Amino acid sequence: DQQVKQNSPSLSVQEGRISILNCDYTNSMFDYFLWYKKYPAEGPTFLISISSIKDKNEDGRFTVFLNKSAKHLSLHIVPSQPGDSAVYFCAASVGRNTGKLIFGQGTTLQVKP
Amino acid sequence: DTAVSQTPKYLVTQMGNDKSIKCEQNLGHDTMYWYKQDSKKFLKIMFSYNNKELIINETVPNRFSPKSPDKAHLNLHINSLELGDSAVYFCASVGLEDEKLFFGSGTQLSVL
Repeated sequence: DQQVKQNSPSLSVQEGRISILNCDYTNSMFDYFLWYKKYPAEGPTFLISISSIKDKNEDGRFTVFLNKSAKHLSLHIVPSQPGDSAVYFCAASVGRNTGKLIFGQGTTLQVKP
Repeated sequence: DTAVSQTPKYLVTQMGNDKSIKCEQNLGHDTMYWYKQDSKKFLKIMFSYNNKELIINETVPNRFSPKSPDKAHLNLHINSLELGDSAVYFCASVGLEDEKLFFGSGTQLSVL
């Protein structure tokens, strides 16, 4: 029973266009959500987060949207760059500083020049 | 000047052997973790240590024994390795006032 799901294993977009990565969760106790980015042979690195009291958080080219009623969040990258090509993991937790994150299985993003 | 470093990066071994993976962080964090990425690519928490004390153990078999000699180190020892233990193991740490986990680059364990 996966509590965090990323149903698209892969996504391909053209450089300069928008990338939208989606994530669904089932546990209504989750109140903190994060996105991590992972390059091959490296560990995941933190990208952006959002608390359940917000519905949007923006950091440069990256914006995360949270729809609590639908238990859905998305990561928007605009404009997409070739260097954004990586695996993106959605993660959720109960509480902000637990470190006990429940991860989705990742979406591989390819940005074509 | 890696923040979270783990060794070895690759580990190939026979079933039944005992092996260890080491992890060190130079971020001054109090809490460290072991996560496992299985064949389906899900990252799942295994253990969490806070200042050398075990605080999370996610129903991991007893063959897995974490050891924290000090708060900068968290090692993982695995006894009697099984085929199903093949995975990528990630060490991570987090600071008191931070929500961001910092991950090591992973150890790919292959049990033959």
